[in-house]
Amino acid sequence: DTAVSQTPKYLVTQMGNDKSIKCEQNLGHDTMYWYKQDSKKFLKIMFSYNNKELIINETVPNRFSPKSPDKAHLNLHINSLELGDSAVYFCASSQAGSSYEQYFGPGTRLTVT
Amino acid sequence: GENVEQHPSTLSVQEGDSAVIKCTYSDSASNYFPWYKQELGKRPQLIIDIRSNVGEKKDQRIAVTLNKTAKHFSLHITETQPEDSAVYFCAASKPGGGNKLTFGTGTQLKVEL
Repeated sequence: DTAVSQTPKYLVTQMGNDKSIKCEQNLGHDTMYWYKQDSKKFLKIMFSYNNKELIINETVPNRFSPKSPDKAHLNLHINSLELGDSAVYFCASSQAGSSYEQYFGPGTRLTVT
Repeated sequence: GENVEQHPSTLSVQEGDSAVIKCTYSDSASNYFPWYKQELGKRPQLIIDIRSNVGEKKDQRIAVTLNKTAKHFSLHITETQPEDSAVYFCAASKPGGGNKLTFGTGTQLKVEL
């Protein structure tokens, strides 16, 4: 009964490659997010989608492109990977609105060599 | 934009003692303040939250207090146990912000036997 799932769990790739991370939630939520957690554990929002519509884009490089095919899925595609992209990427979901718990996925540890 | 500061960055207590983590926020429009616990290698999970219409909330050994005037809120853990060892994050969000959570920088809590 996984509420928010992500694949893959680990991703090791070389600089310059393109990779995707997938996220799915079965909670019936309208809003989904991508967060980046760097090596210092700092959690920062990257994107937020509500009903497949982009509502938050936090000055993330154009190399990052989220896509939401439907309310239950939010994928993250990264072009031309750089060393600084190495981090743990968390997907999350919540009901729409400003005071609802966000449920996080297990995270995808991306290592760029 | 919102800025959330969190202190201390590390906290070491003896089992059975209390632990207090403090956060301040900058945007007076913020009205939702969750606390997340992240164990090593795991996802962040909500442990308690408070909305701006209340000053304190308790859930067993965990309590959160909010001072809207001073724009700060605190997490209190009593009778700490080894399983409380984790990184704790405070966060803030405001209406109309797409449920964007701005996180503090985290507190590594270590409960020693």
